[in-house]
Amino acid sequence: IAGITQAPTSQILAAGRRMTLRCTQDMRHNAMYWYRQDLGLGLRLIHYSNTAGTTGKGEVPDGYSVSRANTDDFPLTLASAVPSQTSVYFCASSDGGHTTEAFFGQGTRLTVV
Amino acid sequence: GQNIDQPTEMTATEGAIVQINCTYQTSGFNGLFWYQQHAGEAPTFLSYNVLDGLEEKGRFSSFLSRSKGYSYLLLKELQMKDSASYLCAVGDSNYQLIWGAGTKLIIKP
Repeated sequence: IAGITQAPTSQILAAGRRMTLRCTQDMRHNAMYWYRQDLGLGLRLIHYSNTAGTTGKGEVPDGYSVSRANTDDFPLTLASAVPSQTSVYFCASSDGGHTTEAFFGQGTRLTVV
Repeated sequence: GQNIDQPTEMTATEGAIVQINCTYQTSGFNGLFWYQQHAGEAPTFLSYNVLDGLEEKGRFSSFLSRSKGYSYLLLKELQMKDSASYLCAVGDSNYQLIWGAGTKLIIKP
């Protein structure tokens, strides 16, 4: 692993199903983030974690949950998927806080049908 | 509300210079970022401005005027590989990033 890795790369999910998007980084960064990217809109922050053991809500947290049990992993869970959660999801990490250079994973393309 | 404005799309010629503008209205200011994103890929960091003025990094330069809520990214000696979306993001008073929708830059031979 080099950098930040997301899994799966893409997924088609039935509405109402539960799904966890995985994110792992090997840079020992304290801060990690989950964004969604939709056509015509900027990246929108879903949840973040400034350090292991802490999490915070971003701009669009409803329907999503996160955990940060250790420095490396930051999974994002959709408890009961809805079609409006169809999007590209990016995980990112940074050495400092939100206003330092972020390193992004390759993204997960999720389609909820 | 908080807002970041960038042109949706721009076209330029290989070898030329292009300027991509970004205006912002945010609650507070804690730095401005430019990221590059090729189609289907992750954003990658280009520049960070926190003080007024021009920051130069090779073929790319970024300018900031905090009093005008304005930044631009200047790309010189354009290459075909510069075809990408360019994202402007501003740190607000909560130190969270507010992102623009991005400017898709098309380079023609």
